[in-house]
Formats: sequence, structure tokens, C-alpha cells
Amino acid sequence: KQEVTQIPAALSVPEGENLVLNCSFTDSAIYNLQWFRQDPGKGLTSLLLIQSSQREQTSGRLNASLDKSSGRSTLYIAASQPGDSATYLCAVRLMIQGAQKLVFGQGTRLTINP
Amino acid sequence: NAGVTQTPKFRVLKTGQSMTLLCAQDMNHEYMYWYRQDPGMGLRLIHYSVGEGTTAKGEVPDGYNVSRLKKQNFLLGLESAAPSQTSVYFCASSYLGFQETQYFGPGTRLLVL
Repeated sequence: KQEVTQIPAALSVPEGENLVLNCSFTDSAIYNLQWFRQDPGKGLTSLLLIQSSQREQTSGRLNASLDKSSGRSTLYIAASQPGDSATYLCAVRLMIQGAQKLVFGQGTRLTINP
Repeated sequence: NAGVTQTPKFRVLKTGQSMTLLCAQDMNHEYMYWYRQDPGMGLRLIHYSVGEGTTAKGEVPDGYNVSRLKKQNFLLGLESAAPSQTSVYFCASSYLGFQETQYFGPGTRLLVL
């Protein structure tokens, strides 16, 4: 069974720091991996999507990498800002019993302190 | 362009009552999904639809039914609510399926007493 783990569950850093969020998955047979952010009481917003054939994707201050062989992905946030405070979720797309599924991690709650 | 909207935002039910959650999208997406989010469990897929008139089971479909009579709407029904169905429910949509970005609604908080 595919399991997606995000460590740490919570992270607090001062404004301006660069930081890395981690995501690991047990089955490397994935089609893609997505990073989302979720603000309190709100839905999910897609940040980056990395196809299985890609190694990384960048959007502004965000950079996501994917290493399928080791079952790991990282989300790098440069020059963090208080507005980056949110819960960050990763999710992998794979086939389970002939059906496509999106399996989510439990998220990392990020707090950026001014 | 409203994106994905969900109705209602919050609801309290008694055990055994029924209700329907409505999801609507105005992006002409083919795929629509229903998830539930529980503390310590992450998001789990309940049901999904690959187009108008189609539905398919996700990871946790028991106790729920869905319908996709119109392309823009995806309904999630609870026929006989149970306390275990207390959760936050999210609807999402995408144009061409799981390989593309999914756009999420704001969620419906459901409390079953």
C-alpha cells in the first residue's frame, strides 16, 4: 500500500530564511507528484506538479524536486515571508487495482515569524 | 469565473439523517472528485467522475453515493449519516484527470451528532 509521509508535522522559522519541506513515498511507481498549500478553513491550492519523468519544477520562490528511486520529494521555499504560513501537502498519483488514485500526505504546518 | 464552489459551507446532522452536498465548477472540467479530510488521516478520495453521467469509487466510498447528471455539478449524498462521517469534505475538478492539476473548492464542514 502506498504511504506518503511528511516530516516534520510542523515547522516554525523566522522571516527571510530559506527552508525545505520533505515528502516521502513508499512505492516509486508513481505518475506524478503535486505540492499543495492549504490555508486555515480553506481549500487546497496547487503549487507545483512534477511528472514522473521530471526532476524538478520551479515557480517563483518555490522549487520542487523529485527523486523517484529514493521515494522522496522536497519543496524549497526561498526568502520565506509571513504570507507563506500555511499547511503544505504533497500528493502522489498512482494506479491502484486498475484505478488512478491520488494519495496525500498529512501535511507540514509552516509558520513564518515576522 | 467562480472556479469550484461548494454548498453548504457548514452543516450539523443527527445520526440517521440524510443530506446532499453540492459541488459546482464553471471551468468546463471533465473530471470531478469528492474527498474527505480528517485529522491525522490526510485527504482521502471518496468518489470521482470522469465525465457527465459517470461515477467511480475512490478509496473510502462506503456510506456515500454520488451523481453527475450535469457536467458542471457533482453531488455527494449521505443516505443515513453516522458520527464517523463527521469531516471536512472537499470537491475538486480537473480538465483531463489525475495527471493534471486539481482545483479545489473551499470545503464543507459536516458534524454528525
